[in-house]
Amino acid sequence: GAVVSQHPSWVICKSGTSVKIECRSLDFQATTMFWYRQFPKQSLMLMATSNEGSKATYEQGVEKDKFLINHASLTLSTLTVTSAHPEDSSFYICSASRAGGGTDTQYFGPGTRLTVL
Amino acid sequence: ELKVEQNPLFLSMQEGKNYTIYCNYSTTSDRLYWYRQDPGKSLESLFVLLSNGAVKQEGRLMASLDTKARLSTLHITAAVHDLSATYFCAPAGNKLTFGGGTRVLVKP
Repeated sequence: GAVVSQHPSWVICKSGTSVKIECRSLDFQATTMFWYRQFPKQSLMLMATSNEGSKATYEQGVEKDKFLINHASLTLSTLTVTSAHPEDSSFYICSASRAGGGTDTQYFGPGTRLTVL
Repeated sequence: ELKVEQNPLFLSMQEGKNYTIYCNYSTTSDRLYWYRQDPGKSLESLFVLLSNGAVKQEGRLMASLDTKARLSTLHITAAVHDLSATYFCAPAGNKLTFGGGTRVLVKP
């Protein structure tokens, strides 16, 4: 149990376009979902936390108008990278937890590799 | 703000020998996770440590937690090539904060 999927697994786009990444909890209801970004050979950095039906909470330094997060249901959260630029190229990983709060176990998706040309 | 320091950042291991990865963190945390990441892949959960003195073992990996010292260790016994990966610790506060990772390369 506790499977999280992401779609697409990889995407290549042109600079200036927008890209949407989906994160789904397949066999449980996720009260909270998290979005992380990982640059090559670096650690994971939390971008934002989203709770179903409410606005996402963004970490310091993350532009909320550029990285749009929607958590419309208990099984789906989406991250839209608007007006993508090459510096947005990264590995984006989502996670989901059953309950609210950062200490509850998070189940990680397989990640989405974004390359912006 | 919780700060997490892992060391070493890179560990070249010989097969059959024992090694330890250290994870120090700056503020109180009530649980700590260890993850493994293979190149190009997402995270695989290894252990969750819930209390002071907790020790968990799975195969050649053993993790322990000392909440008073704010220190967790991941011990590798008799390293084998399959253990080559990057290992992250992540204490949980109001969110998970990841250490910088330890890249492990096990050589024959």
